[in-house]
Amino acid sequence: KQEVTQIPAALSVPEGENLVLNCSFTDSAIYNLQWFRQDPGKGLTSLLLIQSSQREQTSGRLNASLDKSSGRSTLYIAASQPGDSATYLCAVRLRGGSQGNLIFGKGTKLSVKP
Amino acid sequence: DVKVTQSSRYLVKRTGEKVFLECVQDMDHENMFWYRQDPGLGLRLIYFSYDVKMKEKGDIPEGYSVSREKKERFSLILESASTNQTSMYLCASSLPPDGEQYFGPGTRLTVT
Repeated sequence: KQEVTQIPAALSVPEGENLVLNCSFTDSAIYNLQWFRQDPGKGLTSLLLIQSSQREQTSGRLNASLDKSSGRSTLYIAASQPGDSATYLCAVRLRGGSQGNLIFGKGTKLSVKP
Repeated sequence: DVKVTQSSRYLVKRTGEKVFLECVQDMDHENMFWYRQDPGLGLRLIYFSYDVKMKEKGDIPEGYSVSREKKERFSLILESASTNQTSMYLCASSLPPDGEQYFGPGTRLTVT
């Protein structure tokens, strides 16, 4: 059964620092991997979607990479800001089966201190 | 701009009541999903639908049912609410087969 793990569970950094969030998954037969941001008490905002054939995706200060063979993805945030404080979730979509849900990690709670 | 809306942000219901949570998307997506999110357990899929009147059970369907009569609307029904259904409920939609999932703002349901 696919398991998605995010380490660390929480991270605190000073403003301006570059940082990396990690996501690992046990089954490499994925369709794609998606990174989300969630603010307290709110829904999820999609940040980046990486298809299984891709190695990375970029959006502004965010860069996500995917290494299917090792079962890993990273989300790189450049020049962090207090407004980046949120919980970041990764999720994988499995190949095969039905149209398919996402399997989520439990998230990394990021705090960026001014 | 893509949009998924949910009928209520906060809801308080009593044990045994029938509860309806509604989700509407304006993106003409075939796929729609209902998740619940609980501390320490993360997001878990309750049901999803890949077309009008079509549905599949997710990981935790017990105590829930769904309805999809129109493409843009997906309803989650708690037939007889129980306290262990107190949770944050999130709706999402996507294009098949591998589209990006877009989420609504969530409904925080409390059952007393």
